[in-house]
Amino acid sequence: SAVISQKPSRDICQRGTSLTIQCQVDSQVTMMFWYRQQPGQSLTLIATANQGSEATYESGFVIDKFPISRPNLTFSTLTVSNMSPEDSSIYLCSVSGQGYGYTFGSGTRLTVV
Amino acid sequence: TQLLEQSPQFLSIQEGENLTVYCNSSSVFSSLQWYRQEPGEGPVLLVTVVTGGEVKKLKRLTFQFGDARKDSSLHITAAQPGDTGLYLCAGFKNTGNQFYFGTGTSLTVIP
Repeated sequence: SAVISQKPSRDICQRGTSLTIQCQVDSQVTMMFWYRQQPGQSLTLIATANQGSEATYESGFVIDKFPISRPNLTFSTLTVSNMSPEDSSIYLCSVSGQGYGYTFGSGTRLTVV
Repeated sequence: TQLLEQSPQFLSIQEGENLTVYCNSSSVFSSLQWYRQEPGEGPVLLVTVVTGGEVKKLKRLTFQFGDARKDSSLHITAAQPGDTGLYLCAGFKNTGNQFYFGTGTSLTVIP
């Protein structure tokens, strides 16, 4: 299975600023996924990022708030823009094994103060 | 409302006890996965089940997929502190090519 490197692992940010999270995969993948997770709770899909096209966002998430880049088949970034304390969460990137499960990065724990 | 409901939501047991976690839905899934997540890490895939009625064993863990492919269970025998973590089920639907995560079960095994 793929190996994913995600960074930063954690950050504390001031409200109103932006944070960009990077996700590097050790193999080429078509789709990459970005999730948000409150500690101890389930995962909520933010968007699906395909290389060469705009990301597809789930209901409740918009591109202006969570812009995503996918410049090649091994890399993606998620930016959390104009942050507020409500954005404090764990953000995870993942890649799919086509119905046979996901491989996840180790996550980015974001605290907005 | 989430497509997959897990029960219990929280579980705290003594080392050596047995436990079962349930993952239920009214929808049919092509396959179902179970993950375990430890603090500070992403979820790690434990198993994938694809056939209705399928049972898979992974050491002390037994996974079952319901006959109708709408539900699943995870049974742990003789739980150990290392089993502590958040357990997540996830169902895959071919239509839409998407995974749906369950509500999660937080397990604590007390030494």
